[in-house]
Amino acid sequence: QKEVEQDPGPLSVPEGAIVSLNCTYSNSAFQYFMWYRQYSRKGPELLMYTYSSGNKEDGRFTAQVDKSSKYISLFIRDSQPSDSATYLCALGAYSSASKIIFGSGTRLSIRP
Amino acid sequence: DAGITQSPRYKITETGRQVTLMCHQTWSHSYMFWYRQDLGHGLRLIYYSAAADITDKGEVPDGYVVSRSKTENFPLTLESATRSQTSVYFCASSESGTPTDTQYFGPGTRLTVL
Repeated sequence: QKEVEQDPGPLSVPEGAIVSLNCTYSNSAFQYFMWYRQYSRKGPELLMYTYSSGNKEDGRFTAQVDKSSKYISLFIRDSQPSDSATYLCALGAYSSASKIIFGSGTRLSIRP
Repeated sequence: DAGITQSPRYKITETGRQVTLMCHQTWSHSYMFWYRQDLGHGLRLIYYSAAADITDKGEVPDGYVVSRSKTENFPLTLESATRSQTSVYFCASSESGTPTDTQYFGPGTRLTVL
């Protein structure tokens, strides 16, 4: 079983829709939760991170963590064509401070 | 140019050949990382380095060698390339290496082993 599971998509939604991207994980040692965005033929870039259960907002983006269910989500409100990218969840733990485990990524396409 | 750069951006080689991928960062970040990205596997850590002359294995180190004689450079060498090493390779750097510290990624090297 992979440590992190993420639906690869592709996910295609119309502009303005609310997008929900999700990951599940198996190891309760993970305490840091991140979302990276990766445009085609580019390196990933950090979008958001959180280390507690609950919601964290940044503009149109909301990261949600449910540690009891080992489930993390990224919501995108009022989605734009420029949000079209691959979104990777990433998890880290105190015990392996330098090592982050990445999900396989979800390809998202926003239709104008 | 400021930031993190990788070279070459594209490389085609043959099985058994030695290949070196270069990574250079201008921030003087202590930590540097090498990942490979394959369909269905996401990003997997190959090696990382906490400082010059300090390196450690990641999840998939077999078949790779790294060195870090200078803080700003972190080359990755495939000593005898195999087809299974066909992948996109990303270098990253961060200031402290903690999970909450942002990792900044290079643009990637697309390697094909024939």
